[in-house]
Amino acid sequence: EVQLVESGGGLVKPGGSLRLSCAASGFTLSSYSMHWVRQAPGKGLEWVSSISSSSTFKYYAASVRGRFTISRDDAKNSLYLQVNSLRAEDTALYFCATPPGARSFWGQGTLVTVSS
Amino acid sequence: DIQMTQSPSSLSASVGDRVTITCRASQGISNYLVWFQQKTGKAPKSLIYAASTLQSGVPSRFSGSGSGTDFTLTISSLQPEDFATYYCQQYYSYPRTFGQGTKLEIK
Repeated sequence: EVQLVESGGGLVKPGGSLRLSCAASGFTLSSYSMHWVRQAPGKGLEWVSSISSSSTFKYYAASVRGRFTISRDDAKNSLYLQVNSLRAEDTALYFCATPPGARSFWGQGTLVTVSS
Repeated sequence: DIQMTQSPSSLSASVGDRVTITCRASQGISNYLVWFQQKTGKAPKSLIYAASTLQSGVPSRFSGSGSGTDFTLTISSLQPEDFATYYCQQYYSYPRTFGQGTKLEIK
């Protein structure tokens, strides 16, 4: 069964950091570019960051550039998002996902709450 | 950045109705458009990619059309399980951008 499982979210104070993880099973992560998308409570979907299959290219939303870092470890079939200098507006459910296409997978998300 | 504008933002309809949701891109994106369905508390589910290709396992009452800047998602005969929020997203360029969503509610 194909699965993406996010972890690493939690309650953190403004200015704090977390490392979000996304573990893939049932398929080979290395074949795909990978993406992080977030959704603030009651709001729409917001693309956050993407990484190419070779890790050569990394892209970030303007709202997170310089604070978030995407990475991958294909040997562990895993994707990561290091989130630093967190702000209240970063509070959201963070999803990892494969790109659109014939095989499209999303995880169930990990919740990041930034509050003092 | 490419702006994606969905309309309407909300829609009330009845079981059996035909429903159309539109998505307009601020510049041409060829057919690099995906439609998602999201139910409360769940991850988005891809329905249509490449503007008009039905995702495997998605009922044929869903269809997509368009190219360039104007796109539509049509549900030919609404079923109770279709009441959800729908999003379009362009994957033509970075930053990837989503429409603001269309909430489909039961009339």
